[in-house]
Amino acid sequence: AQSVTQLDSQVPVFEEAPVELRCNYSSSVSVYLFWYVQYPNQGLQLLLKYLSGSTLVKGINGFEAEFNKSQTSFHLRKPSVHISDTAEYFCAVSANAGNNRKLIWGLGTSLAVHP
Amino acid sequence: GAGVSQSPSNKVTEKGKDVELRCDPISGHTALYWYRQSLGQGLEFLIYFQGNSAPDKSGLPSDRFSAERTGGSVSTLTIQRTQQEDSAVYLCASTRLAADTQYFGPGTRLTVL
Repeated sequence: AQSVTQLDSQVPVFEEAPVELRCNYSSSVSVYLFWYVQYPNQGLQLLLKYLSGSTLVKGINGFEAEFNKSQTSFHLRKPSVHISDTAEYFCAVSANAGNNRKLIWGLGTSLAVHP
Repeated sequence: GAGVSQSPSNKVTEKGKDVELRCDPISGHTALYWYRQSLGQGLEFLIYFQGNSAPDKSGLPSDRFSAERTGGSVSTLTIQRTQQEDSAVYLCASTRLAADTQYFGPGTRLTVL
C-alpha cells in the first residue's frame, strides 16, 4: 500500500520569493511520483512527474522537484513565484508496475502568492 | 484531439435520490479511473477499469456506489440513495494501459441537499 503526506496545508508567500512545497511518501513497492496543480475553478493539470533516471525533474511554469529515495520525499520548488501560481498543489504516487496505476494522493497544499 | 469529458458538470439532488455521472474517456484509452475530491478527505481513488472490467473496486465507499463501463469507452458512476456526505467533485481520468500519465476530465460537482 502507498500513502502520501503533504506537510503543509497552506503556504503563503510573497511574489518573486522562492517556495518549497513538501511531499513525503511511503510504499512497499516502487512508485512513480507526480505533482498536479489545480487552479481556482479549474481541473487537475500535470505539473511534473518522476519515472526514473535523473532525480531532478523539471515541469511546466518553472517548477521543479527532486526525488530523494532515502528520505522518501519529492519536494516541489520554484525559485520565484508569481501571483498566477496561486493554486492548490497535489502530490501523488502510483505503482510503477502492473496495469493498475491508480493514484494515491496527498491532501494538497494551498499556495497563496501575495503582492 | 478531444480530452476526457464528464457530464453533467453540476448536479444538485435531494438526499435519498439516485444519481448517474458519466465519463467519456479519450478514444483508445483502455484504462479508466474514477476519483472523488471532497472537503476534508482530499482526492480519493474509487475504481479502476481495464476495458470493461473493474479489477480494482477497493475505493468505493459503500455498496450504494457502483460503476460500469461499456464498449471499452463510456463509464457511468451510479450513487444510490444519496447522502449528504456524498457531496463532492467526482473526477474521471483515462490513459493507455499501464501508461504513467492520466488525463483528467473537468469533474462533476455533486451537491446532495
